[in-house]
Amino acid sequence: RKEVEQDPGPFNVPEGATVAFNCTYSNSASQSFFWYRQDCRKEPKLLMSVYSSGNEDGRFTAQLNRASQYISLLIRDSKLSDSATYLCVVREGTASKLTFGTGTRLQVTL
Amino acid sequence: DGGITQSPKYLFRKEGQNVTLSCEQNLNHDAMYWYRQDPGQGLRLIYYSQIVNDFQKGDIAEGYSVSREKKESFPLTVTSAQKNPTAFYLCASSQTGQNQPQHFGDGTRLSIL
Repeated sequence: RKEVEQDPGPFNVPEGATVAFNCTYSNSASQSFFWYRQDCRKEPKLLMSVYSSGNEDGRFTAQLNRASQYISLLIRDSKLSDSATYLCVVREGTASKLTFGTGTRLQVTL
Repeated sequence: DGGITQSPKYLFRKEGQNVTLSCEQNLNHDAMYWYRQDPGQGLRLIYYSQIVNDFQKGDIAEGYSVSREKKESFPLTVTSAQKNPTAFYLCASSQTGQNQPQHFGDGTRLSIL
């Protein structure tokens, strides 16, 4: 089983739609969680950290479910510019290293 | 502007050659990392360093070497022992601490001639 698993997609949604991605992680000792966005042939960029109580940043909402070992990202009112690959990232305990999922591709269309 | 600078953006290597990829940061971050990304795959950790003059192997260190002589610099050498070096190489840095995310440079694309 992969340490961090994501549905690769692609998720094709119309502009204005709400879309949600899930990500599961295998190590129950994982302590920190992040969502990154990666555009084609570019570097990953931090979208948001994921906190235990859930958190929101504008149209983006992240949730953590420790019991079921998954995190989610909800995007409301999708824009064309949201088209990208979304990477789920997990840190185990206090280790420096992060484990990256292979990403979920989102394509927002007119 | 604060950030992470990788150079060159594109690099071509002949078989049997060693090449060095540069990574410099002016964010005053203690930790630095090197990743490799292949098409359709996730990032895989090559080496990381949490402090000057110290570094650890990641998941795929074979055929690579690094040094960390200065806090702001973490160069990666791809040696001739790396049999499949064609990939997108990404350098990242972070503050130490549990909830600190990593920030990435814009990458180097390495190809074999």
